[in-house]
Amino acid sequence: AQSVTQLDSHVSVSEGTPVLLRCNYSSSYSPSLFWYVQHPNKGLQLLLKYTSAATLVKGINGFEAEFKKSETSFHLTKPSAHMSDAAEYFCVVRTNAGKSTFGDGTTLTVKP
Amino acid sequence: NAGVTQTPKFQVLKTGQSMTLQCAQDMNHEYMSWYRQDPGMGLRLIHYSVGAGITDQGEVPNGYNVSRSTTEDFPLRLLSAAPSQTSVYFCASTSGGLQGATNEKLFFGSGTQLSVL
Repeated sequence: AQSVTQLDSHVSVSEGTPVLLRCNYSSSYSPSLFWYVQHPNKGLQLLLKYTSAATLVKGINGFEAEFKKSETSFHLTKPSAHMSDAAEYFCVVRTNAGKSTFGDGTTLTVKP
Repeated sequence: NAGVTQTPKFQVLKTGQSMTLQCAQDMNHEYMSWYRQDPGMGLRLIHYSVGAGITDQGEVPNGYNVSRSTTEDFPLRLLSAAPSQTSVYFCASTSGGLQGATNEKLFFGSGTQLSVL
């Protein structure tokens, strides 16, 4: 069985300050981990993925995530938030059975 | 490339009506899946398929049927719609099914907003 827990349902930051969106996972297998972003009334876009290569993964729009096996975490960060980063973010775990499990999502609000 | 094509974009049904949400992909992906998205609950897997002729249940399969007669198409059927099925539905595909790689991203359709009155 696999599961994903996004520890914060809402995160609010000021523009120009760092962003941290937290994700913990559990999986019986060595998983692949993803972060997706969904802007209002839009589809889902892949931000980055971890696939057992480097533990620090860089994605689009300045986001990155670090895989920590000992903590079963895959937190998403960005050094400086931009207004356009306001969106819903989903952490996803996928196993070799092909199934992807989504976290409940974190709504990021960016204040001017 | 069209990618994943999902129709319709919007649909309103009355309780008890049936309908089919269409999903097609032109990337020769083995793996296709259907999710529903409800506020505060992320995306929950309804049904998935790892190849033509093979389907399996996801997290919330009740009230939905699927079939996979071809690699390209994966329709989702609501046999008797209920208000609890009001949701946004996403179809997704990826390469690498049961025997394949797991590190490929999901390609999503644009979603179907379904309301059941």
